[in-house]
Amino acid sequence: EVVMTQSPATLSVSPGERATLSCRASQSVSNNLAWYQQKPVQAPRLLIYGASTRATGVPARFSGGGSGTEFTLTISSLQSEDFAVYYCQQYSKWPLTFGGGTKVEIK
Amino acid sequence: QVQLAESGGGVVQPGRSLRLSCAASGFTFSSYVMHWVRQAPGKGLEWVAVIWYDGSNKYYADSVKGRFTISRDNSKNTLYLQMNSLRAEDTAVYYCARNSRAYTYGDEFDIWGQGTIVTVSS
Repeated sequence: EVVMTQSPATLSVSPGERATLSCRASQSVSNNLAWYQQKPVQAPRLLIYGASTRATGVPARFSGGGSGTEFTLTISSLQSEDFAVYYCQQYSKWPLTFGGGTKVEIK
Repeated sequence: QVQLAESGGGVVQPGRSLRLSCAASGFTFSSYVMHWVRQAPGKGLEWVAVIWYDGSNKYYADSVKGRFTISRDNSKNTLYLQMNSLRAEDTAVYYCARNSRAYTYGDEFDIWGQGTIVTVSS
């Protein structure tokens, strides 16, 4: 099983600042990597797929990068609605696996 | 509008069974691979099971293999998860999710339902 490790577990950021989230895979997943945003009592929402392609309707302040085993999600200027938990997911190998999540909170 | 709506959750005793449903609307259900994903209270996301668009293939997480069965009825645009021999550790919100591309598997999940809560407790 491909283990996905996200860091940090919690990121405290002020509105308007930049946030960089990391995701590491235990083996190469090529660019078969997605990022999801989840707010309290809501379902996850797809943000990024193919490691770097924004999903429909996702603001340009969200960007994804990386390939192989190291990936990043960057939020260029945090807005109030961006405070949430973010999960990475690999869909290269079965079973599909998620990272443990990074909570982005208001500093 | 593309939507998924889960139902069937509830409180059940350990060892008992429960069947979840996921009703799809706004897209050609029979063209898409579908998944179940769960989230234990305060925890992260765990992929549970997948079924091919025509039902020809099914895969499960080791944690549910032999106890859970995924199925679908394309004539009713509905996905199911039959959960047997339930354990306390199966307590979670269960989401159905759509593979993003038709007639393929192994992609990201672009549409999610709102989830249904399953609590396994005596």
